[in-house]
Amino acid sequence: EAQVTQNPRYLITVTGKKLTVTCSQNMNHEYMSWYRQDPGLGLRQIYYSMNVEVTDKGDVPEGYKVSRKEKRNFPLILESPSPNQTSLYFCASSLYPSGMDTEAFFGQGTRLTVV
Amino acid sequence: QQQVKQSPQSLIVQKGGISIINCAYENTAFDYFPWYQQFPGKGPALLIAIRPDVSEKKEGRFTISFNKSAKQFSLHIMDSQPGDSATYFCAPINTGNQFYFGTGTSLTVIP
Repeated sequence: EAQVTQNPRYLITVTGKKLTVTCSQNMNHEYMSWYRQDPGLGLRQIYYSMNVEVTDKGDVPEGYKVSRKEKRNFPLILESPSPNQTSLYFCASSLYPSGMDTEAFFGQGTRLTVV
Repeated sequence: QQQVKQSPQSLIVQKGGISIINCAYENTAFDYFPWYQQFPGKGPALLIAIRPDVSEKKEGRFTISFNKSAKQFSLHIMDSQPGDSATYFCAPINTGNQFYFGTGTSLTVIP
């Protein structure tokens, strides 16, 4: 089954304690990205990756890191989480955004609370 | 920069009514215009999309209307059902770049 898998689904952590949210896709997609979803703000892109070892900042990259060492995996790293990073996070993958017929596949989401 | 403006933020419709959600964009390089649907506790999923060479696309009760000159496209849900209650996002694509998601519309269909 084609899917994007995120872990964990729920996470409560304390300010400053490093954490990683994993994302894996089994569709051999080149493009992967991370979003955060906040009420009234919709989906905002944090980072995206066009392929292995190629990453770039989205609209809200501050406080986050990513890496793309393998095509299937795209972890999101919060080196020193703060309460304003409390949010719902989604990983997505797709073929290279070539316009027509490009579909983004989303994971189930990770609900992060930083206290 | 806000390249996509979606409205309304929330919408309440009676069962059987028509739901209309609008998306306005600035970037004329966008070349694919999808709508995504998100149910509570789930990630968004592609609902319907349109290419810029047509003005309308219909799939069942869902229709996209596209106005290239006005740089707008809208989602129409005919005969709205309680099961359509979800958040909807427009997400135009710029080839070779990235997805640009709107701020979302929370639709509630009242039985």
